[in-house]
This record gives sequence, C-alpha cells and structure tokens, in this order.
Amino acid sequence: GMPVEQNPPALSLYEGADSGLRCNFSTTMKSVQWFQQNHRGRLITLFYLAQGTKENGRLKSTFNSKERYSTLHIKDAQLEDSGTYFCAAGNAGAKLTFGGGTRLTVRP
Amino acid sequence: EAAVTQSPRNKVAVTGGKVTLSCNQTNNHNNMYWYRQDTGHGLRLIHYSYGAGSTEKGDIPDGYKASRPSQENFSLILELATPSQTSVYFCASGDAGQGAAETLYFGSGTRLTVL
Repeated sequence: GMPVEQNPPALSLYEGADSGLRCNFSTTMKSVQWFQQNHRGRLITLFYLAQGTKENGRLKSTFNSKERYSTLHIKDAQLEDSGTYFCAAGNAGAKLTFGGGTRLTVRP
Repeated sequence: EAAVTQSPRNKVAVTGGKVTLSCNQTNNHNNMYWYRQDTGHGLRLIHYSYGAGSTEKGDIPDGYKASRPSQENFSLILELATPSQTSVYFCASGDAGQGAAETLYFGSGTRLTVL
C-alpha cells in the first residue's frame, strides 16, 4: 500500500465541533510533519514531531513511531480551519513522503 | 519565518518547450526541494539539494532537471515540457544536515499549464 495513508479523505464539521485526522505509515518513520493548505494554496507548517505530543492552541498532534501512526486533533473548529491538511513523514535525510490529504470543511 | 519565493506564479507553456521554474530563499538554509502537487496524489518529491552545487533525484525525477547554483537559488528545469507536467509546483527549504529531520518552509507555488 501507500507509504503514508491519510484518513478520512474529506471531513465536514460544524463550527465548535471537535474532530481528529489520522495518518498511518507502512514502515517505521522517524518524524512527521503536519501542514495546512489554505484556500490560496499556501502550505503552512503546523507541527513537526519526532515523538510524543505537541499542542498549539486548538490543535494537538501525536506521533507514535512504534505503532506507525500520527494524529491531528482539532478542537472547537472555526471557519478559518477549512482547508486541506497533509501529514508528511520522513526517515534519513529530509526527504518527506506526503499523504494524500484530508479536505476539511467547517460550516457555520 | 523563512522566506521562500517562487517565480513565476503562473506559467503557460507549449509542448516541447523549455520551462524553468525558479526558487529563492533568504534564510541560508542548506536544503531545498521541488515538489509537484496533483489532485489525489498529495505532494511528490521531484528533486532536492543539500547545498550549492548539489542536486539529488527525488521520487519522480523523470522529465525534470534541477540546478543549485548558489545557497539561495534552486531551479527546476523542464527541457521538453509535456502536458503530463501540468501541475502546481512547490519549492521548499530546510536547515538540517543530511540524515537529520527538519521543518520545511514552502513557497507559494507555481501553477504550470502545458498545452
């Protein structure tokens, strides 16, 4: 299968809702990054993790290298959270392999 | 915040023509990358570089060349453009040594259409 699989491919939330996105890796990865691509196509780095959990405001990400997955949790979703979220994982060097993305739509 | 600038923002080329996409970063990062983004594929790595004078093949290098004449500049060259190369291209930079993981900083993208 694909080295990095993201689920779900699309997600619709109402404002104020909480939800999670997930990436599964076919092999052990040393690090993961999460990006948001906004409506203008701009890629914004959200998190870089080599292990454990990081939080930033309403966002929280966890990386479990041994179990081969990473999650991104969005709390109290806002309209500006809409966009496509990508995870990208890497091993040696800085070559990252991207997942196919999750298209998030937040509705009022 | 790292500044990565791509040019042009949009480009229309004809089949068989030569296309050069340029990327400039002003934060003295060692590593630079070219990705393309197509619907259903996420981002795929074309070429990358660990420093001036170095270029490495990524996951989908066929049909592309790269040039890193300086720390700041990294170009992607399509010698004979084909319609299958119609895509959005992203340049990124990062500052880890070889073998280390890093945070990437992306440019705004170049939308290339090959007719």
